[in-house]
Amino acid sequence: EPEVTQTPSHQVTQMGQEVILRCVPISNHLYFYWYRQILGQKVEFLVSFYNNEISEKSEIFDDQFSVERPDGSNFTLKIRSTKLEDSAMYFCASSGIQGTRGWGYTFGSGTRLTVV
Amino acid sequence: AQTVTQSQPEMSVQEAETVTLSCTYDTSENNYYLFWYKQPPSRQMILVIRQEAYKQQNATENRFSVNFQKAAKSFSLKISDSQLGDTAMYFCAFMKPLNTGTASKLTFGTGTRLQVTL
Repeated sequence: EPEVTQTPSHQVTQMGQEVILRCVPISNHLYFYWYRQILGQKVEFLVSFYNNEISEKSEIFDDQFSVERPDGSNFTLKIRSTKLEDSAMYFCASSGIQGTRGWGYTFGSGTRLTVV
Repeated sequence: AQTVTQSQPEMSVQEAETVTLSCTYDTSENNYYLFWYKQPPSRQMILVIRQEAYKQQNATENRFSVNFQKAAKSFSLKISDSQLGDTAMYFCAFMKPLNTGTASKLTFGTGTRLQVTL
Protein backbone atom coordinates (compact mmCIF):
# COMPACT_ATOMS: atom_id res chain seq x y z
CA GLU A 1 0.00 0.00 0.00
CA PRO A 2 1.39 3.45 -0.91
CA GLU A 3 2.70 5.48 2.00
CA VAL A 4 3.48 9.03 2.89
CA THR A 5 7.01 9.16 4.30
CA GLN A 6 8.18 11.76 6.80
CA THR A 7 11.70 12.46 8.01
CA PRO A 8 13.03 12.81 10.60
CA SER A 9 10.77 10.98 13.02
CA HIS A 10 12.03 13.12 15.89
CA GLN A 11 13.93 16.39 15.88
CA VAL A 12 15.22 18.40 18.79
CA THR A 13 16.19 21.98 18.11
CA GLN A 14 17.14 25.04 20.07
CA MET A 15 14.79 27.98 20.27
CA GLY A 16 15.46 30.43 17.45
CA GLN A 17 16.89 27.83 15.10
CA GLU A 18 15.46 26.98 11.70
CA VAL A 19 14.07 23.52 11.06
CA ILE A 20 12.96 21.79 7.89
CA LEU A 21 10.55 18.89 8.08
CA ARG A 22 10.47 16.65 5.06
CA CYS A 23 7.74 14.60 3.47
CA VAL A 24 7.43 12.39 0.41
CA PRO A 25 3.75 12.23 -0.58
CA ILE A 26 2.14 9.41 -2.51
CA SER A 27 3.35 9.69 -6.08
CA ASN A 28 0.03 10.16 -7.92
CA HIS A 29 -1.48 12.49 -5.33
CA LEU A 30 -1.88 16.14 -6.22
CA TYR A 31 -2.83 17.81 -2.95
CA PHE A 32 -0.48 18.14 -0.02
CA TYR A 33 -1.02 19.23 3.55
CA TRP A 34 0.67 19.90 6.86
CA TYR A 35 -1.10 19.46 10.17
CA ARG A 36 0.09 19.99 13.73
CA GLN A 37 -0.83 18.25 16.96
CA ILE A 38 0.34 19.65 20.26
CA LEU A 39 0.60 16.85 22.82
CA GLY A 40 -2.81 15.93 24.19
CA GLN A 41 -4.68 18.24 21.85
CA LYS A 42 -6.54 17.89 18.59
CA VAL A 43 -5.02 17.85 15.14
CA GLU A 44 -4.92 21.32 13.57
CA PHE A 45 -4.66 22.26 9.91
CA LEU A 46 -1.66 24.38 8.95
CA VAL A 47 -1.55 24.62 5.17
CA SER A 48 -2.61 22.99 1.92
CA PHE A 49 -0.67 23.03 -1.34
CA TYR A 50 -1.66 22.39 -4.93
CA ASN A 51 -0.10 23.12 -8.29
CA ASN A 52 3.01 24.54 -6.67
CA GLU A 53 1.24 27.09 -4.58
CA ILE A 54 -0.52 27.41 -1.26
CA SER A 55 -4.26 26.73 -1.52
CA GLU A 56 -5.20 27.62 2.02
CA LYS A 57 -3.47 28.40 5.27
CA SER A 58 -4.63 28.69 8.84
CA GLU A 59 -3.99 31.47 11.33
CA ILE A 60 -1.23 29.33 12.83
CA PHE A 61 0.69 29.44 9.55
CA ASP A 62 2.30 32.85 10.01
CA ASP A 63 5.40 34.35 8.41
CA GLN A 64 7.63 31.97 10.38
CA PHE A 65 6.34 29.06 8.31
CA SER A 66 6.85 28.24 4.67
CA VAL A 67 6.27 25.25 2.42
CA GLU A 68 7.99 24.11 -0.71
CA ARG A 69 7.94 21.31 -3.22
CA PRO A 70 11.50 21.68 -4.45
CA ASP A 71 11.87 18.70 -6.77
CA GLY A 72 8.47 17.24 -7.62
CA SER A 73 8.92 14.56 -4.98
CA ASN A 74 9.59 16.12 -1.60
CA PHE A 75 7.25 18.46 0.23
CA THR A 76 8.85 20.46 3.02
CA LEU A 77 7.74 22.59 5.93
CA LYS A 78 10.22 25.18 7.17
CA ILE A 79 10.00 26.98 10.47
CA ARG A 80 12.40 29.92 10.35
CA SER A 81 12.89 30.74 14.00
CA THR A 82 11.44 28.10 16.28
CA LYS A 83 9.66 28.95 19.51
CA LEU A 84 8.95 26.73 22.49
CA GLU A 85 5.28 26.63 21.50
CA ASP A 86 6.18 25.09 18.14
CA SER A 87 6.89 21.83 19.96
CA ALA A 88 4.36 19.40 18.53
CA MET A 89 3.84 16.46 16.23
CA TYR A 90 3.77 17.58 12.62
CA PHE A 91 1.90 15.43 10.13
CA CYS A 92 2.19 15.55 6.39
CA ALA A 93 -0.72 14.25 4.30
CA SER A 94 -1.56 13.90 0.65
CA SER A 95 -4.71 13.23 -1.34
CA GLY A 96 -5.60 12.49 -4.92
CA ILE A 97 -8.44 13.49 -7.21
CA GLN A 98 -11.75 12.51 -5.72
CA GLY A 99 -13.19 9.34 -7.14
CA THR A 100 -9.86 8.01 -8.38
CA ARG A 101 -8.31 4.92 -6.85
CA GLY A 102 -6.81 5.64 -3.46
CA TRP A 103 -7.79 9.30 -3.54
CA GLY A 104 -8.41 9.74 0.13
CA TYR A 105 -6.22 11.42 2.67
CA THR A 106 -3.15 9.47 3.70
CA PHE A 107 -1.09 10.69 6.63
CA GLY A 108 2.58 10.18 7.25
CA SER A 109 3.76 8.83 10.58
CA GLY A 110 4.68 12.31 11.78
CA THR A 111 7.72 14.24 12.94
CA ARG A 112 7.93 14.99 16.63
CA LEU A 113 9.51 18.42 17.00
CA THR A 114 10.89 19.39 20.38
CA VAL A 115 12.10 22.97 20.86
CA VAL A 116 14.35 23.49 23.88
CA ALA B 1 -16.81 27.46 9.15
CA GLN B 2 -17.24 23.82 9.96
CA THR B 3 -17.00 22.52 13.51
CA VAL B 4 -16.71 18.96 14.77
CA THR B 5 -17.67 17.99 18.32
CA GLN B 6 -16.77 14.83 20.18
CA SER B 7 -18.46 14.99 23.55
CA GLN B 8 -16.86 11.88 25.08
CA PRO B 9 -13.26 12.58 26.14
CA GLU B 10 -12.79 9.00 27.35
CA MET B 11 -14.55 5.67 26.93
CA SER B 12 -13.87 2.21 28.20
CA VAL B 13 -15.09 -1.13 26.88
CA GLN B 14 -14.40 -4.73 27.70
CA GLU B 15 -12.82 -6.98 25.16
CA ALA B 16 -15.37 -8.56 22.78
CA GLU B 17 -18.01 -5.99 23.67
CA THR B 18 -19.42 -3.24 21.46
CA VAL B 19 -18.82 0.46 21.94
CA THR B 20 -20.16 3.54 20.17
CA LEU B 21 -18.24 6.81 19.88
CA SER B 22 -20.23 9.98 19.21
CA CYS B 23 -19.53 12.80 16.80
CA THR B 24 -21.60 15.77 15.73
CA TYR B 25 -20.70 18.43 13.24
CA ASP B 26 -21.97 21.71 11.95
CA THR B 27 -21.88 22.76 8.33
CA SER B 28 -23.93 24.56 5.72
CA GLU B 29 -22.57 22.31 2.98
CA ASN B 30 -24.81 19.70 1.37
CA ASN B 31 -22.04 17.48 0.08
CA TYR B 32 -19.05 16.53 2.19
CA TYR B 33 -17.08 13.64 3.65
CA LEU B 34 -16.77 12.39 7.18
CA PHE B 35 -13.97 10.29 8.57
CA TRP B 36 -12.94 8.42 11.67
CA TYR B 37 -9.21 8.24 12.33
CA LYS B 38 -7.49 6.08 14.92
CA GLN B 39 -4.36 7.33 16.68
CA PRO B 40 -2.61 4.62 18.71
CA PRO B 41 0.20 5.43 21.18
CA SER B 42 2.62 5.57 18.24
CA ARG B 43 0.66 8.73 17.25
CA GLN B 44 0.28 7.67 13.65
CA MET B 45 -3.05 8.73 12.06
CA ILE B 46 -4.81 5.68 10.65
CA LEU B 47 -7.98 5.94 8.59
CA VAL B 48 -10.70 3.74 10.05
CA ILE B 49 -13.71 4.55 7.90
CA ARG B 50 -15.06 7.14 5.47
CA GLN B 51 -18.61 8.25 4.69
CA GLU B 52 -19.79 10.32 1.74
CA ALA B 53 -22.68 12.57 2.70
CA TYR B 54 -24.58 11.89 -0.51
CA LYS B 55 -24.71 8.18 0.29
CA GLN B 56 -27.57 7.15 2.53
CA GLN B 57 -26.08 3.76 3.25
CA ASN B 58 -23.88 3.66 6.32
CA ALA B 59 -20.26 2.73 5.70
CA THR B 60 -18.83 -0.45 7.20
CA GLU B 61 -15.29 -1.80 7.43
CA ASN B 62 -15.13 -5.20 9.10
CA ARG B 63 -15.81 -4.59 12.82
CA PHE B 64 -16.25 -0.85 12.32
CA SER B 65 -19.48 0.76 11.18
CA VAL B 66 -21.01 4.20 11.31
CA ASN B 67 -24.44 5.58 12.00
CA PHE B 68 -24.70 8.61 9.74
CA GLN B 69 -27.69 10.85 10.40
CA LYS B 70 -27.40 13.73 7.93
CA ALA B 71 -30.37 15.74 9.16
CA ALA B 72 -29.15 15.50 12.73
CA LYS B 73 -25.52 16.11 11.65
CA SER B 74 -24.45 13.09 13.61
CA PHE B 75 -21.76 10.56 12.72
CA SER B 76 -21.14 7.89 15.35
CA LEU B 77 -18.65 5.03 15.15
CA LYS B 78 -19.54 1.56 16.36
CA ILE B 79 -16.79 -0.89 17.14
CA SER B 80 -18.00 -4.47 17.46
CA ASP B 81 -16.10 -7.31 19.12
CA SER B 82 -13.61 -4.85 20.62
CA GLN B 83 -10.00 -5.97 20.72
CA LEU B 84 -7.09 -4.82 22.86
CA GLY B 85 -5.50 -3.39 19.72
CA ASP B 86 -8.41 -1.00 19.37
CA THR B 87 -7.10 0.96 22.35
CA ALA B 88 -6.32 4.38 20.89
CA MET B 89 -7.47 7.94 20.46
CA TYR B 90 -10.26 8.25 17.89
CA PHE B 91 -10.80 11.44 15.94
CA CYS B 92 -13.84 12.36 13.89
CA ALA B 93 -13.10 14.65 10.94
CA PHE B 94 -15.01 16.64 8.32
CA MET B 95 -13.96 17.51 4.79
CA LYS B 96 -15.59 19.50 2.02
CA PRO B 97 -15.38 17.83 -1.37
CA LEU B 98 -12.14 18.12 -3.29
CA ASN B 99 -12.74 20.15 -6.42
CA THR B 100 -10.29 20.21 -9.24
CA GLY B 101 -7.77 22.85 -8.37
CA THR B 102 -8.83 23.18 -4.75
CA ALA B 103 -7.32 21.30 -1.86
CA SER B 104 -9.65 20.56 1.01
CA LYS B 105 -8.61 20.51 4.64
CA LEU B 106 -9.78 18.17 7.36
CA THR B 107 -11.43 19.67 10.43
CA PHE B 108 -10.96 17.42 13.43
CA GLY B 109 -12.84 16.95 16.68
CA THR B 110 -11.02 16.88 19.98
CA GLY B 111 -10.93 13.10 20.10
CA THR B 112 -12.17 10.26 22.30
CA ARG B 113 -9.67 8.13 24.16
CA LEU B 114 -10.84 4.51 24.02
CA GLN B 115 -9.49 1.93 26.43
CA VAL B 116 -10.24 -1.72 25.78
CA THR B 117 -9.91 -3.84 28.90
CA LEU B 118 -9.74 -7.56 29.58
